[in-house]
Amino acid sequence: DTAVSQTPKYLVTQMGNDKSIKCEQNLGHDTMYWYKQDSKKFLKIMFSYNNKELIINETVPNRFSPKSPDKAHLNLHINSLELGDSAVYFCASSQALPGDANSQETQYFGPGTRLLVL
Amino acid sequence: EDQVTQSPEALRLQEGESSSLNCSYTVSGLRGLFWYRQDPGKGPEFLFTLYSAGEEKEKERLKATLTKKESFLHITAPKPEDSATYLCAVPQRGNSGAGSYQLTFGKGTKLSVIP
Repeated sequence: DTAVSQTPKYLVTQMGNDKSIKCEQNLGHDTMYWYKQDSKKFLKIMFSYNNKELIINETVPNRFSPKSPDKAHLNLHINSLELGDSAVYFCASSQALPGDANSQETQYFGPGTRLLVL
Repeated sequence: EDQVTQSPEALRLQEGESSSLNCSYTVSGLRGLFWYRQDPGKGPEFLFTLYSAGEEKEKERLKATLTKKESFLHITAPKPEDSATYLCAVPQRGNSGAGSYQLTFGKGTKLSVIP
């Protein structure tokens, strides 16, 4: 019954490796997001997709490439991992886009993927 | 630059000791203010959305209010299970995509309720 799920929950890898994080939502939402939460717990938007189209790309290095095979899935691939990529990555989904000023813009978050780059 | 500021950064309360958390914003043309709760090791959990100054919403021991410059999350007679980090967020125009908004979060208030 998990609404937004992410895999893996933990990811420990060496600098320079390439890794992927997967996200799935079963809420029937049209919009999905990736957020990064750093060691100071600051939550910052990375990408948002609406109906499989990229809407937001917030000054994220091009080593990060999101891919949305369908509306229920948004994966995040990271090339050439760096120490500074260590963080918790959250996927989220909503029916409507932020700023639509209605209850359907509420975002629901997954449990997070804890990435540690050594 | 539009921003969201939460205070205090951390708050310790005795069980039953009511208090308030603050979220001030400088976004022009507010299009909603969101409150989330985040437990350690988990994703943010939605609590409330407020759209208009004067609006109030309640859920158990929590009540959120909104003015033109800030929002308060009032916690009445808190219990240890209310311990969490409380985040507020507002939609803000993104740097990419014409007319698109992104949810901008404050840094949160870590609430600890001591039995």
